Amino acid sequence: GAVVSQHPSWVICKSGTSVKIECRSLDFQATTMFWYRQFPKQSLMLMATSNEGSKATYEQGVEKDKFLINHASLTLSTLTVTSAHPEDSSFYICSARGASGRGVQFFGPGTRLTVL
Amino acid sequence: GQQLNQSPQSMFIQEGEDVSMNCTSSSIFNTWLWYKQDPGEGPVLLIALYKAGELTSNGRLTAQFGITRKDSFLNISASIPSDVGIYFCAGQRFTGTASKLTFGTGTRLQVTL
Repeated sequence: GAVVSQHPSWVICKSGTSVKIECRSLDFQATTMFWYRQFPKQSLMLMATSNEGSKATYEQGVEKDKFLINHASLTLSTLTVTSAHPEDSSFYICSARGASGRGVQFFGPGTRLTVL
Repeated sequence: GQQLNQSPQSMFIQEGEDVSMNCTSSSIFNTWLWYKQDPGEGPVLLIALYKAGELTSNGRLTAQFGITRKDSFLNISASIPSDVGIYFCAGQRFTGTASKLTFGTGTRLQVTL
């Protein structure tokens, strides 16, 4: 299957700081990228969808000014958690989908964010 | 957001046993996907189904796209310890770039020796 990477794999930050997470599709061009959040023992919850070169579409209840998404190229999307607080601590996972491949999404390994 | 119902929620089985799990929805999907997630990792695609009634295998895994397009099933034969993890189904109504996955609640599988 296609390879999607995330960086960093884990991050610990102080409350009030901003954290940037990168998501890269390594062997295909991702026309669409997705950002998910997952709490312990729960399923994945979609936060936003982004298409290359256009603004992200956020799911209901997700603050777009809090979670800034940039999809500047066909292989890179970034999620910035601004002014992070302890309640933002979670497992963030990106996925990518190419123009071909019948719409299948491939997921990154996830980023564990801990806000102190 | 909407989640698909997966059953069972969790299961403990012995190595060598077969496993069955299912996923149901109140609405129709055009694509069904099955993923496995290990602790601290992202989901890994196991099987993708694109047509109602389709039966697809990947090694010891077999999945079926329900004929009503509202459900899907995953079977694992002769389970081994590395099958431990959480299995998620996901449905998609492919409508171009706007399409997105709806995930199931997950089935946690634990295999004992």
